Amino acid sequence: QQQVKQSPQSLIVQKGGISIINCAYENTAFDYFPWYQQFPGKGPALLIAIRPDVSEKKEGRFTISFNKSAKQFSLHIMDSQPGDSATYFCAASPSIGAGGTSYGKLTFGQGTILTVHP
Amino acid sequence: EPEVTQTPSHQVTQMGQEVILRCVPISNHLYFYWYRQILGQKVEFLVSFYNNEISEKSEIFDDQFSVERPDGSNFTLKIRSTKLEDSAMYFCASKERGLYYEQYFGPGTRLTVT
Repeated sequence: QQQVKQSPQSLIVQKGGISIINCAYENTAFDYFPWYQQFPGKGPALLIAIRPDVSEKKEGRFTISFNKSAKQFSLHIMDSQPGDSATYFCAASPSIGAGGTSYGKLTFGQGTILTVHP
Repeated sequence: EPEVTQTPSHQVTQMGQEVILRCVPISNHLYFYWYRQILGQKVEFLVSFYNNEISEKSEIFDDQFSVERPDGSNFTLKIRSTKLEDSAMYFCASKERGLYYEQYFGPGTRLTVT
C-alpha cells in the first residue's frame, strides 16, 4: 500500500517530442506528489509538484496531470530537449504520517531513464 | 542559492567497520532526512528527524543505524557495523517546514563496503 508504481522504466524520445511518465499509488493518505529529476552522480532535484486539490499544474515545458479517483499522476515534458536526458522519479508524501503528524517522508517510484535524441 | 552539502563524496570501508556520513542542511530548515539509493534502484527513505529526535524511520533503519544532530549545523548518519549490502548512495535532505515544502537533497555520499 505504501508503494508508488512508475512506468515506463526507460523512454527514448526525439528532440521536440513529448515525454510522458506515469505513476500510480494505493495509499489514500498521500497528499503531496513531487517529481524529481536526477542527473548521474547528483542528488534528486525537485522539478514540479502537485497537491490533490488540482488536476493539473504546468511550469514551463513540464506539466503534471493528476487523477485522484484513479490514484494516478503523470509528468508530461513538452518539446523535449537533449538536456532533459536524466532519470525522473515520481514521489508521494502522506498528509498524516506515523504518530498522526506528517514529517514529509517521500516514497519514490522506481524511476524512468529518459533519453532525448537530438 | 542555499544548498545541502555532504561529506565525504565517496567512502570506502571494510565490512564490519563503522562509518559516519556527514551532512550540513540548509540553515533555516527544520526537518532532516536520510535516504539511500542502491545502484540502479529507486531512492528509499531511511529516517526523518525533527525537533532533535527521530520522527519516523523505515524498516531498513535498524539498530545498526543512528542519526545525530550534534550542533546547530551538522546532521550525521552512523552505520555501526557495515555490511556489503549497505553499499549505496546516501542522500541527506532538508526541508524548511511542513507537508508542501520542498525537500532539498544533497549531492550524496557513495558508500562502498568491501
